[in-house]
Amino acid sequence: QITLKESGPTLVKPTQTLTLTCTFSGFSLSTSGVGVGWIRQPPGKALDWLAFIYWDDDKRYSPSLRNRLTITKDTSKNQVVLTMTNVDPVDTATYFCAHSSVVVTWSLDYWGQGTLVTVSS
Amino acid sequence: QPVLTQPPSSSASPGESARLTCTLPSDINVASYNIYWYQQKPGSPPRYLLYYYSVSDKGQGSGVPSRFSGSKDTSANTAILLISGLQSEDEADYYCMIWPSNASGVFGGGTKLTVL
Repeated sequence: QITLKESGPTLVKPTQTLTLTCTFSGFSLSTSGVGVGWIRQPPGKALDWLAFIYWDDDKRYSPSLRNRLTITKDTSKNQVVLTMTNVDPVDTATYFCAHSSVVVTWSLDYWGQGTLVTVSS
Repeated sequence: QPVLTQPPSSSASPGESARLTCTLPSDINVASYNIYWYQQKPGSPPRYLLYYYSVSDKGQGSGVPSRFSGSKDTSANTAILLISGLQSEDEADYYCMIWPSNASGVFGGGTKLTVL
């Protein structure tokens, strides 16, 4: 059974760096053809694809946020970490992590419940 | 980054069919991409419904009823999610997504489906 859970601060001040952790179970990121992505959703707004990391450490970033995002994995801890620098109130959102694999044609088939991050001074 | 256009809202009555659209920009050919569809209810994470590439290349999410189906209208450069036999529990937001190879994914703006 695949599960994912996001964790991190609920409140961050503008210009600070946000670090979010996705802790998962039921799969390994050392397995070929597997990956984990981050998606966010501002209150009342649409989903926003942020970043993705593959089992082989290949990475993809949203072009509009590429300069501010870093995604890494710790296979031994079953964790994926997303770092976002220089946050702004517009980054206030629920942040989700999700599992994907070649088996499901790279759909985002399992999602965490999300964590709400507020950016405010 | 491409913009996928979805109507903000749609409505249909129970038992009817709902046809939700996702239009790609003219410089991106809908025929060339897997189109993923997600359902999201208030306070919950998105749920993966299905992907559609072609009649012979498509897939249903685990536990997703067959009354959810995908298709494409290539003449309109549009992907379609068809929900037949609409039920009250289908009331939700629906998002399309594409994920080009060697690039980032992108979601549409979402359609709020109301079951009258």
